[in-house]
Amino acid sequence: NAGVTQTPKFRILKIGQSMTLQCTQDMNHNYMYWYRQDPGMGLKLIYYSVGAGITDKGEVPNGYNVSRSTTEDFPLRLELAAPSQTSVYFCASSLGDRGNSEQFFGPGTRLTVL
Amino acid sequence: AQKVTQAQTEISVVEKEDVTLDCVYETRDTTYYLFWYKQPPSGELVFLIRRNSFDEQNEISGRYSWNFQKSTSSFNFTITASQVVDSAVYFCALSGSNTGKLIFGQGTTLQVKP
Repeated sequence: NAGVTQTPKFRILKIGQSMTLQCTQDMNHNYMYWYRQDPGMGLKLIYYSVGAGITDKGEVPNGYNVSRSTTEDFPLRLELAAPSQTSVYFCASSLGDRGNSEQFFGPGTRLTVL
Repeated sequence: AQKVTQAQTEISVVEKEDVTLDCVYETRDTTYYLFWYKQPPSGELVFLIRRNSFDEQNEISGRYSWNFQKSTSSFNFTITASQVVDSAVYFCALSGSNTGKLIFGQGTTLQVKP
């Protein structure tokens, strides 16, 4: 099992550009999450999904969009990149949505917006 | 509202010293889950432990041990005989019983010097 994979690993964007961060998991987990980690801070939840076709906002959703057409994939879209979106983005998945279900994290995507 | 506080921003110790990382949480849920994750310099997130609110038994895993005290809303993490490879950022996190969404503390950077 590859677990949770993310692409790209690094990306530099100009202000106003758009991009999609890809996330794929091969563990057949229903629940998937996107977090961002700003320098010196903990992770904050952007969006999450409880299954294909179902998504919901987390703590910091502004400036992002998500979709979940399959169990495996949960892409994160930035439409108009801003310097405030410079961060490391982590995708995670879990078997269940209860707090007792461990979340498995991808390796992260480091995004810089200039 | 749920909140996790890691008051220690950075800790520096010499190899073989014992070190305790503090974690204080706030929640109104009666059932909740606490986690510790390690983030080494390579950047990935490594799951260390999960504890539910009904299990206050301390846990030991090799050089790692965890002290959960509901009376003080704390879930502290101790590394015994620290090693250079323990150098990392350590995050404490909290989730409720009906959601897998994690609330992270700001993290504690541990530097173990040889």
